Amino acid sequence: ETGVTQTPRHLVMGMTNKKSLKCEQHLGHNAMYWYKQSAKKPLELMFVYSLEERVENNSVPSRFSPECPNSSHLFLHLHTLQPEDSALYLCASSHGTGGYEQYFGPGTRLTVT
Amino acid sequence: EDKVVQSPLSLVVHEGDTVTLNCSYEVTNFRSLLWYKQEKKAPTFLFMLTSSGIEKKSGRLSSILDKKELFSILNITATQTGDSAIYLCAVARLMNNNAGNMLTFGGGTRLMVKP
Repeated sequence: ETGVTQTPRHLVMGMTNKKSLKCEQHLGHNAMYWYKQSAKKPLELMFVYSLEERVENNSVPSRFSPECPNSSHLFLHLHTLQPEDSALYLCASSHGTGGYEQYFGPGTRLTVT
Repeated sequence: EDKVVQSPLSLVVHEGDTVTLNCSYEVTNFRSLLWYKQEKKAPTFLFMLTSSGIEKKSGRLSSILDKKELFSILNITATQTGDSAIYLCAVARLMNNNAGNMLTFGGGTRLMVKP
């Protein structure tokens, strides 16, 4: 499998559920990102990991918890979400954070009920 | 606060038309400007621009950056229905902790090309 993959592609969860989003990159990159894309809003950066260390947390609520166990995998753990958290969650990777282009996965469409 | 503004918000053209999409920015510690095409879900990379005045070209698409006036344009000539998508502009800037660069995205331009 090539590129950046994300699972699941669609997720519906209640506000009291706990779920996790998974991202895997097969490009040999060492930086990974989580973005949120809501309707009528620009793509918002949530987290940046470089060499498995978190280097940026863009003021994201603690109900979103990232995990990067190695340079190929990135998770986003979700708990007690709100309906306004419904969005497309995109994962991306790049060779480093030094201005290289980022390659995106297909995203997970999350609906919080 | 960093800003990336794209215009127009949306555009409807007919096949064969030429379109110009605009991106203006105000960011500190600018590093590069990137264009992406988003059709269904995953944005796909088109161009990365770091130097002023040097046009990048790929088929019917081309882009140029003006670092003095802080904007970029993306041109698409002889448009086809397959060009219908959201076009995203993003600016890479140095992160506050100097750990590397991060992207700030504009709101996108939704292009629809009619047969």
